[in-house]
Amino acid sequence: DIQMTQSPSSLSASVGDRVTITCRASQTISNYLNWYQQKPGKAPNLLIYVASTLQSGVPSRFSGSGSGTDFTLTISSLQPEDFASYYCQQTHNTPYTFGQGTKLEIK
Amino acid sequence: QVQLQESGPGLVKPSETVSLTCTVSDGSISPYYCTWIRQPPGKGLEWIGYIHHTGSATYNPSLESRVTISIDTSKNQFSLKLSSVTAADTAVYYCARYRTSGSYSLDYWGQGTLVTVSS
Repeated sequence: DIQMTQSPSSLSASVGDRVTITCRASQTISNYLNWYQQKPGKAPNLLIYVASTLQSGVPSRFSGSGSGTDFTLTISSLQPEDFASYYCQQTHNTPYTFGQGTKLEIK
Repeated sequence: QVQLQESGPGLVKPSETVSLTCTVSDGSISPYYCTWIRQPPGKGLEWIGYIHHTGSATYNPSLESRVTISIDTSKNQFSLKLSSVTAADTAVYYCARYRTSGSYSLDYWGQGTLVTVSS
């Protein structure tokens, strides 16, 4: 299985901050990397697919980059509704594994 | 707007088989891959497996011996059976649609259903 490692596991930030979350794959996955946001008690919501394409309806303050094994999710200016957990997922090889998640909390 | 809805028992006894169904509305499940994912309380996401509308299924090797995913395209439904459950299978189970055409991602999810394994 491809292991996905996210860092940090948790992060405290303030409204207006720029935040970056990283995701590293244990082997190359080209650009088959997705990012999801999950709020408590809710299903994950797709933010970015194939590393850098913004899902329809997702605010432009979210962006993704990377290829191969190293990827980043950036939120350019945190809004109150962005405090949530974030997961990366590779869809290069089955099983389509997820990172362990990053919990973004209000400072 | 595509909607997915999981249904099934909330409580299952150890060693039994849990059966869940996902009903897809406002959109056909063809030609997508219908996927099951689970999340133990307070933990991360685990991909269980998926099935194509042709009936071809792929499972997570960690669960393969206990999992069966099936599909009924006439009802726009797909199902998960997990056998010989233990407390470690307690989780919220999500169904989702995996889109391959340029996306290769889970673009629509159900709200999730909590399955508790307990005697």
